[in-house]
Amino acid sequence: GQQVMQIPQYQHVQEGEDFTTYCNSSTTLSNIQWYKQRPGGHPVFLIQLVKSGEVKKQKRLTFQFGEAKKNSSLHITATQTTDVGTYFCAGRSSEKLVFGKGTKLTVNP
Amino acid sequence: GAVVSQHPSWVICKSGTSVKIECRSLDFQATTMFWYRQFPKQSLMLMATSNEGSKATYEQGVEKDKFLINHASLTLSTLTVTSAHPEDSSFYICSARRQGSGNTIYFGEGSWLTVV
Repeated sequence: GQQVMQIPQYQHVQEGEDFTTYCNSSTTLSNIQWYKQRPGGHPVFLIQLVKSGEVKKQKRLTFQFGEAKKNSSLHITATQTTDVGTYFCAGRSSEKLVFGKGTKLTVNP
Repeated sequence: GAVVSQHPSWVICKSGTSVKIECRSLDFQATTMFWYRQFPKQSLMLMATSNEGSKATYEQGVEKDKFLINHASLTLSTLTVTSAHPEDSSFYICSARRQGSGNTIYFGEGSWLTVV
């Protein structure tokens, strides 16, 4: 079945450093979504990418969708302590939304 | 923005009993809702897809007789964990797909189930 692989599993950075998490799908996706989950909280929708090669920005966050619509990345510029949490990608190829395992980001002030 | 309410947030039940979790879309109609399970420090695992007025579609390995899903209306889906065991203790979270607006999915707040 469809699989979504996400790396790295953990990332620890100093405040101000950049951070990137990557997702790869075993199948071509109709869209990919990104979520952020704070410790003890529920996933919060960040963004959805639909078009091949699409790039979207939200302040310090940059999201990319690969040309083949099988991979995606989330890049955070100059991390802040408020960025801590687990970032999940979720790929949809039909009705299902399959989540990656998430990347847990910790930021050292 | 769209709101999905999940209830209860926390529940403790005894082994062998059943517990029901509700998922409601508060300001939109959701023809499709999804139920996930999340173990500590792990990702969300899709359990089943719930379509209004029809039987739920369960993922491989999920016991449909143990995890009963009902989607009786366009704003409510329920998950009932029957004959709960300690290994069923987990974080259960629902999501609802909002038609239009790019079919964005919104998550409920989740329900922590502890079976003692």
